[in-house]
Amino acid sequence: DAGVTQSPTHLIKTRGQQVTLRCSPKSGHDTVSWYQQALGQGPQFIFQYYEEEERQRGNFPDRFSGHQFPNYSSELNVNALLLGDSALYLCASSSRPATRSGANVLTFGAGSRLTVL
Amino acid sequence: AQSVAQPEDQVNVAEGNPLTVKCTYSVSGNPYLFWYVQYPNRGLQFLLKYITGDNLVKGSYGFEAEFNKSQTSFHLKKPSALVSDSALYFCAVRDIGTGFQKLVFGTGTRLLVSP
Repeated sequence: DAGVTQSPTHLIKTRGQQVTLRCSPKSGHDTVSWYQQALGQGPQFIFQYYEEEERQRGNFPDRFSGHQFPNYSSELNVNALLLGDSALYLCASSSRPATRSGANVLTFGAGSRLTVL
Repeated sequence: AQSVAQPEDQVNVAEGNPLTVKCTYSVSGNPYLFWYVQYPNRGLQFLLKYITGDNLVKGSYGFEAEFNKSQTSFHLKKPSALVSDSALYFCAVRDIGTGFQKLVFGTGTRLLVSP
């Protein structure tokens, strides 16, 4: 049973460029969240997709956008890259959004490490 | 806003000794707390969670966590550390403000177990 798969694993871009990162959720999961993990920091929530719509967004600028496809896979796009966007980008999936009385366990991928020069 | 704090950047312990990785939380309402572990070049792996019930939660790989409401803490413990436990550990709290769950992570604690 494949877990969460992300591609590419590593990439290098220059300032001002655009990047697209891809994620396939764990089998049976329909909800995808993206997190940014800067060096030496904990993961920071970017946004979450469910039923092909962005359901919740963290404190990230509009340069960060995403998409979810009918097969539940997802893309993260970052435009006009800045040096500060260099980080490990983690995709996490779960079976469905938690209700107020529940707490879903997120399954994380290995991440895509982005370096902006 | 929900938050967690991990006061130690690094914890050093000898193999075979007990280990504790500390976490304190600040939440409005009932806390839903998690521990994840990250090995080099790997994603985060779930260890355990606390929703309600017993204050001692048992998880994967022999880890457990003690929930203490009066001290607003959720410390990760293991009775006997292994060298292979060396990794980066993250405490997290659920935030469900808009009805959809997200996790708020601490800054992480690096655990180093020496032979």
